[in-house]
Amino acid sequence: EVQLVESGGTLVQPGGSLRLSCTASGFTFNYHLMHWVRQAPGKGLEYVSSISGNGVNTYYANSVKGRFTISRDNSRNTLYLQMGSLRTEDTAVYYCARQSSGWSDYWGQGTRVTVSS
Amino acid sequence: QSVLTQPPSVSGAPGQRITISCTGSGSNIGAGYDVHWYQQVPGTAPKLLIYANTNRPSGVPDRFSGSKSGTSASLAITGLQAEDEADYYCQSYDNSLSGLNWVFGGGTKLTVL
Repeated sequence: EVQLVESGGTLVQPGGSLRLSCTASGFTFNYHLMHWVRQAPGKGLEYVSSISGNGVNTYYANSVKGRFTISRDNSRNTLYLQMGSLRTEDTAVYYCARQSSGWSDYWGQGTRVTVSS
Repeated sequence: QSVLTQPPSVSGAPGQRITISCTGSGSNIGAGYDVHWYQQVPGTAPKLLIYANTNRPSGVPDRFSGSKSGTSASLAITGLQAEDEADYYCQSYDNSLSGLNWVFGGGTKLTVL
């Protein structure tokens, strides 16, 4: 059974940093491009970042470029999102999602990040 | 402002048919990129509903169908049921100056009357 479990979300002050993790199981992790998608309170889904299966290629939304870094450890079946220079508008539930040929067939349950003083 | 445009809300009575539109442009849907649809019950993670414009994953009822034409796509739900009440999102790729990235519609809240 495919499972994606996010962790690391918490309350952090503006300007602070945070690292999110997504632990995968039930599939060959390094075969799949992975995404981070977020959802601000009461808002829609927003693409954040993606990383290729081998970790070489990374992609970012303009809203997080230069502040967030996506990475993965295929030996640990874990996806990461290092978030820096956090702003109040980064407050959201962050989901990791597995890509399958252009769409996401599995999503985690999400981890909540709150940026507030 | 989302790259893909969806109506904020739609409603229908049980048993009726509704459609949700997803309008893009020449850098995304119109460029030939596939459209995918997700269903999200509030408080839960999104769930894949339709992939590659018209295909249903295993377990999704055939009451749900998708189509794509030009720069737009549509999700249709027939025989509306109370359990269909949720938010629906379209997703595609967009190839702009900032690169090739996923893009979502703003979401449509479906209310079953």
